[in-house]
Amino acid sequence: GDSVTQMEGPVTLSEEAFLTINCTYTATGYPSLFWYVQYPGEGLQLLLKATKADDKGSNKGFEATYRKETTSFHLEKGSVQVSDSAVYFCALSSYNTNAGKSTFGDGTTLTVKP
Amino acid sequence: DAGVTQSPTHLIKTRGQQVTLRCSPKSGHDTVSWYQQALGQGPQFIFQYYEEEERQRGNFPDRFSGHQFPNYSSELNVNALLLGDSALYLCASSEGSGGYTFGSGTRLTVV
Repeated sequence: GDSVTQMEGPVTLSEEAFLTINCTYTATGYPSLFWYVQYPGEGLQLLLKATKADDKGSNKGFEATYRKETTSFHLEKGSVQVSDSAVYFCALSSYNTNAGKSTFGDGTTLTVKP
Repeated sequence: DAGVTQSPTHLIKTRGQQVTLRCSPKSGHDTVSWYQQALGQGPQFIFQYYEEEERQRGNFPDRFSGHQFPNYSSELNVNALLLGDSALYLCASSEGSGGYTFGSGTRLTVV
């Protein structure tokens, strides 16, 4: 079945550092890929998405490229801020087989220190 | 424009009881999915409703049931609560393949 594996956290960075959070997946067909962010006490917010191979999703300075050959969708940001501290979830949806069900990774906690 | 609204925000129930959680989707969204998120883990898919019918179901027992109303709002019912049902229950709405809009969740504690 479908699965998502994220790099284990927590990740602690200083402000303005470069961020990479690794995500790899296993899926049948051609899934859509997503990154969600969850702030304390809140639900998940869609951060960015990519629907086909080589697509790059981007939002708020975050980027991720859909790499079919390596089945990866790593999240990057060039300069993190304290306000980026949150839990980040990688997810996939295989619409051709699962009608919208999303499979999530276990999340990576990011803490950015001033 | 209101996003996804869930109620209640917190709930404490006794083992063996039944609980109903409610969700109003984002305006324009016709599909509602429910997820269970245990502490420190990613959300796990419970089921999805579209056109008032359960379209797909995850690996959850029949104690978990749901309903979608004509206005697209939805309920999640859990019978015979177990301690292990304690979690954050997230409702997510969607329209097409653009990804979910999540509510803030209902924190269920079973004692």
